[in-house]
Amino acid sequence: EPEVTQTPSHQVTQMGQEVILRCVPISNHLYFYWYRQILGQKVEFLVSFYNNEISEKSEIFDDQFSVERPDGSNFTLKIRSTKLEDSAMYFCASAPLDSRTQYFGPGTRLTVL
Amino acid sequence: SQKIEQNSEALNIQEGKTATLTCNYTNYSPAYLQWYRQDPGRGPVFLLLIRENEKEKRKERLKVTFDTTLKQSLFHITASQPADSATYLCARRDPAGANNLFFGTGTRLTVIP
Repeated sequence: EPEVTQTPSHQVTQMGQEVILRCVPISNHLYFYWYRQILGQKVEFLVSFYNNEISEKSEIFDDQFSVERPDGSNFTLKIRSTKLEDSAMYFCASAPLDSRTQYFGPGTRLTVL
Repeated sequence: SQKIEQNSEALNIQEGKTATLTCNYTNYSPAYLQWYRQDPGRGPVFLLLIRENEKEKRKERLKVTFDTTLKQSLFHITASQPADSATYLCARRDPAGANNLFFGTGTRLTVIP
């Protein structure tokens, strides 16, 4: 069964550094999402992406964040200058055009020191 | 803004019993609610979707109900097994018409052998 994959599984970075989290959505899906989950808290929506542009974003998704689909398979989340409070699990998800169900990847644990 | 509340942070039940988890929402009824399972350190996995015009949905040992009068969804696992131990998340779209999901904090279920 096709799965969403994410790399790396764990990323450690220094405050102020840029990080890029990578995702390979399920191949025939058209909607792509990033969510984050701070330890012990709920899963929070960051951004959705459709037809090569951002369709929705939350208040969390400020100018420090950007997303890109550089080729036909990858979907990336960039944090330009990481802060301590960016430490969290980041989940990528994808969905086909005709479904409300989202398929989540295993997550990237980001630790900002 | 919309809220989703999952009343119990944690629920312990004996193997073989039925687990019942509650999800309450505020303001307008969503067109549908979704239930996901999340294991520690992993991404959410879709279980069931129920539309507002459906009273009940079943899938194997799982059953979900949707009561728009009470603004509540109940999630039942019958004949529970230790392998059912996980955190169960309720989710809705927010705002209406958006594709992103707004999650509750989840209920951590432990099935005791």
